[in-house]
Amino acid sequence: GQNIDQPTEMTATEGAIVQINCTYQTSGFNGLFWYQQHAGEAPTFLSYNVLDGLEEKGRFSSFLSRSKGYSYLLLKELQMKDSASYLCAERAGSYQLTFGKGTKLSVIP
Amino acid sequence: ETGVTQSPTHLIKTRGQQVTLRCSSQSGHNTVSWYQQALGQGPQFIFQYYREEENGRGNFPPRFSGLQFPNYSSELNVNALELDDSALYLCASGWDRGLDEQFFGPGTRLTVL
Repeated sequence: GQNIDQPTEMTATEGAIVQINCTYQTSGFNGLFWYQQHAGEAPTFLSYNVLDGLEEKGRFSSFLSRSKGYSYLLLKELQMKDSASYLCAERAGSYQLTFGKGTKLSVIP
Repeated sequence: ETGVTQSPTHLIKTRGQQVTLRCSSQSGHNTVSWYQQALGQGPQFIFQYYREEENGRGNFPPRFSGLQFPNYSSELNVNALELDDSALYLCASGWDRGLDEQFFGPGTRLTVL
């Protein structure tokens, strides 16, 4: 089966670094995605990992360990606009994305 | 290049009614996936269309059905609406069954009374 777990809420300070963890259990793993979703808006793509290791994209990095069923999203130099929900999604097979419930991140001054 | 668009933006229906939601995929994309997102939850996969054929389906009853047209736009139809169908309905388009990133539209907010 597929079970995506991520923390419900996190709070971090502007300018700091925050790590959002995600664990998954599935067979047929074929990629781990991270999306950002501001309230009332559509999810926007942040990153995609299919091999173990770290993928860096500016202030955002994502890490994957397939043997541990574990990923994290790292946000550096936090800005107020980073306050949003962060969705971890696992792709099994060739098409279906299974999303976690999302982590609501609040960035405070 | 235009992004993914959806219509309508908001919709209010009553129990038992039927609804049709529409999605225009991003230019060049041949795959559309539909998701249902209840308040405070992550999106749940409904089904995917690839080159006008259903290419996979999530755990949703048959009263959720869809179509994809030759221009790769898509419709989601829901019959016999229930209160629990109230949600944000998102479509996402991609290339070749979404093997890489998928681009989401702004969504249709459906309220069933």
